[in-house]
Amino acid sequence: EAGVAQSPRYKIIEKRQSVAFWCNPISGHATLYWYQQILGQGPKLLIQFQNNGVVDDSQLPKDRFSAERLKGVDSTLKIQPAKLEDSAVYLCASSSLQHGGELFFGEGSRLTVL
Amino acid sequence: GDSVTQMEGPVTLSEEAFLTINCTYTATGYPSLFWYVQYPGEGLQLLLKATKADDKGSNKGFEATYRKETTSFHLEKGSVQVSDSAVYFCALSPYNQGGKLIFGQGTELSVKP
Repeated sequence: EAGVAQSPRYKIIEKRQSVAFWCNPISGHATLYWYQQILGQGPKLLIQFQNNGVVDDSQLPKDRFSAERLKGVDSTLKIQPAKLEDSAVYLCASSSLQHGGELFFGEGSRLTVL
Repeated sequence: GDSVTQMEGPVTLSEEAFLTINCTYTATGYPSLFWYVQYPGEGLQLLLKATKADDKGSNKGFEATYRKETTSFHLEKGSVQVSDSAVYFCALSPYNQGGKLIFGQGTELSVKP
């Protein structure tokens, strides 16, 4: 079974530029999460989708971050404009009730904002 | 709000030493508790979990017991190996909140031969 796929693995941009990250969850997983992991910290939830609906986006900085999961499968996280403090690893995870709700994580997309 | 606190790292041990990584939590209701591990260059993986008080999660020689009276979920292993070198994250999933995880800051473990 293929795992959670993310791209790109690495991205370097200058502040005020935009960036987009893509995630393809495990096939059949209805729930998809985006986490932000700043160096030396634990992952922090940005947004949670159930199919194509948003369950929790309370910690998403909506003035610059957006995310969508239009067909309830893959998802895109966008940052526009980026700030220095957005430098982090962006992790995507998916889960399903068939797997007891366990979260399966991708390898992450590392963003550096200069 | 709900939160998780882990002991700070890095932790450096010799092979076959005993490992304890402390984890305490603050939560309303009855959360589920988890330990995730991140090996160098790899994604986060579930190591073990416990879903109710006094449950013991175990996997690959690691154990942790859900202690509600002390709000703790300490990770232990009797004899660590070099291959256990990784970053370990304690996490909780709040009761009835759709399965999301709240993580501690992580503890880096380095095991020397």
